[in-house]
Amino acid sequence: DIQMTQSPSTLSASVGDRVTITCRASQSISARLAWYQQKPGKAPKLLIYKASTLQSGVPSRFSGSGSGTEFILTISGLQPDDFATYYCQQYSSFWTFGQGTKVEIK
Amino acid sequence: EVQLVESGGGLVQPGGSLRLSCAASGFTFNSYSMNWVRQAPGKRLEWISYIDGSASTTYYADSVKGRFTISRDNARTSLYLQMDSLRAEDTAVYYCARDTSSLVDCWGQGTLVIVSS
Repeated sequence: DIQMTQSPSTLSASVGDRVTITCRASQSISARLAWYQQKPGKAPKLLIYKASTLQSGVPSRFSGSGSGTEFILTISGLQPDDFATYYCQQYSSFWTFGQGTKVEIK
Repeated sequence: EVQLVESGGGLVQPGGSLRLSCAASGFTFNSYSMNWVRQAPGKRLEWISYIDGSASTTYYADSVKGRFTISRDNARTSLYLQMDSLRAEDTAVYYCARDTSSLVDCWGQGTLVIVSS
């Protein structure tokens, strides 16, 4: 099974900050990686797929990069609506998710 | 509008059974593979089962293999998850998820299953 590890687990930031979240796969997954945003009590929302392709309707302040085993989600200019938990997901072999990164208000 | 609505969750005793349903609308249901994904309280998302559009192929995570059964009724545009021999560790919110090229592009709102005596 492919394991996904995110860091950090929690991130404290202010509105306007640039934040980065890292996701590592236990083996190469090429670019078969997605990022989701989840708010309490809600279903996740797809932000980015194929490591760097922005889902339709997602603000351009979200961006993704990486391939192989290391991936990064960047939020440039954090907005109040962005405080949430973010998950990476590999879809190279079935699906596995990272443990999540909670972005909280500093 | 694409919509997935789960139902059937609730409180069940260890060893018991429950059947979850997911009603789909707003898209051509039989053209899409579907999945069940769960999330235990405070935990990461966990994929548990997949079924293709024609119901000819199914897959399960090791954690539920032999206990859970995924199925679908394309005429009723519905997805199901039969859960038997339930354990405390199966307590979670269960989401149905539409699969588009191996991505989840649509999720239901989730249904909570609590396994407890």
